[in-house]
Amino acid sequence: GAGVSQTPSNKVTEKGKYVELRCDPISGHTALYWYRQSLGQGPEFLIYFQGTGAADDSGLPNDRFFAVRPEGSVSTLKIQRTERGDSAVYLCASSLGLPNPRLSGANVLTFGAGSRLTVL
Amino acid sequence: AQSVAQPEDQVNVAEGNPLTVKCTYSVSGNPYLFWYVQYPNRGLQFLLKYITGDNLVKGSYGFEAEFNKSQTSFHLKKPSALVSDSALYFCAVRDVYNQGGKLIFGQGTELSVKP
Repeated sequence: GAGVSQTPSNKVTEKGKYVELRCDPISGHTALYWYRQSLGQGPEFLIYFQGTGAADDSGLPNDRFFAVRPEGSVSTLKIQRTERGDSAVYLCASSLGLPNPRLSGANVLTFGAGSRLTVL
Repeated sequence: AQSVAQPEDQVNVAEGNPLTVKCTYSVSGNPYLFWYVQYPNRGLQFLLKYITGDNLVKGSYGFEAEFNKSQTSFHLKKPSALVSDSALYFCAVRDVYNQGGKLIFGQGTELSVKP
């Protein structure tokens, strides 16, 4: 597609429920990132995919959070047993990913509009 | 570990005056530096980046930024501010030799330009 698409744009759920957030990256972008942004804060890194594999998942806060990208395109962020503290805007971004990290470091991330999650 | 600091939560500028939004960084290797802007209820938009070469980089909407290695800074500037520049600005850094693709963002600076 023309840009990074995220669905749903808004999700309200109850504490303890399971949530899935979807990201459809720009066609041809092999790198995909998930960030979380709380009110008044900068985006906080969660996980980064290069192709189908998670190259860096060091930002996932705990084992309730999980993300997949089975075919190297669309990604789903899954949150189990949601807590009120999980309320935030979840941002997805994609970029051209090159095998050489020095080259890929120059790549610009293109962000989606985000999925706003509210846990009541 | 890499990190970014934006020391000002808010910057207020009169329209037509020059603006500066400050950013300092910390990485163990060579930095790749970025500025993004976020308008209300919209996604982050790329403004400019420093990779190598000339320390002064020019970006979208008349913005520029100066890389200063000795001061580990990458301040965002614009010679003449517009009311439409009012938004949230984020500095970000990537240490490609040690951290792969991960991009780390600062806390953000809210720019307010008054007529």
